[in-house]
Amino acid sequence: DVKVTQSSRYLVKRTGEKVFLECVQDMDHENMFWYRQDPGLGLRLIYFSYDVKMKEKGDIPEGYSVSREKKERFSLILESASTNQTSMYLCASSLLRLADTYNEQFFGPGTRLTVL
Amino acid sequence: QQPVQSPQAVILREGEDAVINCSSSKALYSVHWYRQKHGEAPVFLMILLKGGEQKGHDKISASFNEKKQQSSLYLTASQLSYSGTYFCGTTGYNQGGKLIFGQGTELSVKP
Repeated sequence: DVKVTQSSRYLVKRTGEKVFLECVQDMDHENMFWYRQDPGLGLRLIYFSYDVKMKEKGDIPEGYSVSREKKERFSLILESASTNQTSMYLCASSLLRLADTYNEQFFGPGTRLTVL
Repeated sequence: QQPVQSPQAVILREGEDAVINCSSSKALYSVHWYRQKHGEAPVFLMILLKGGEQKGHDKISASFNEKKQQSSLYLTASQLSYSGTYFCGTTGYNQGGKLIFGQGTELSVKP
């Protein structure tokens, strides 16, 4: 059974702290994604990666960075957490595009981050 | 730009039908549909590629009108298990699997 796991379901941090959110997938997928989910705004892409050590900015990269040292692991880093980064963070993975087919994304359970 | 979904929320009785629309201002190559139940991860429903292809998943089907840059999700004879938030995700050409999601439509099915 395919699986995307995230290191924590709930996390509480203080303003200014450095925060690491970890995501691991066991499907040998090339693509990995980080989204944040806020009520009324849907899922917004922060960063994605299509290969080890490769990354591309999504729609809202400000205040975040990412790291992908191994194919199965994609980390989201909040360099200095702020209260407006309180949100649900979702990780996803997918196969690299094959022919003309865009492959489905598999999501992790999410991490609800609260920054005080 | 995010695609726009309508309606934002809908309440149904079991057995009723619903349509959720997803419109984009940009040329689309494909549209994905996902459902997220409360407290759970989004789960893939279907992909529609350019060409107006209609797909089905149980009693849920969808269409894709590339000229109108719009997709519609049809839920027929709704069941309690259909409750959740539905998201469309769109890709343009040469986007490498990157999706832009709409804001979501919350569907509640009551007995």
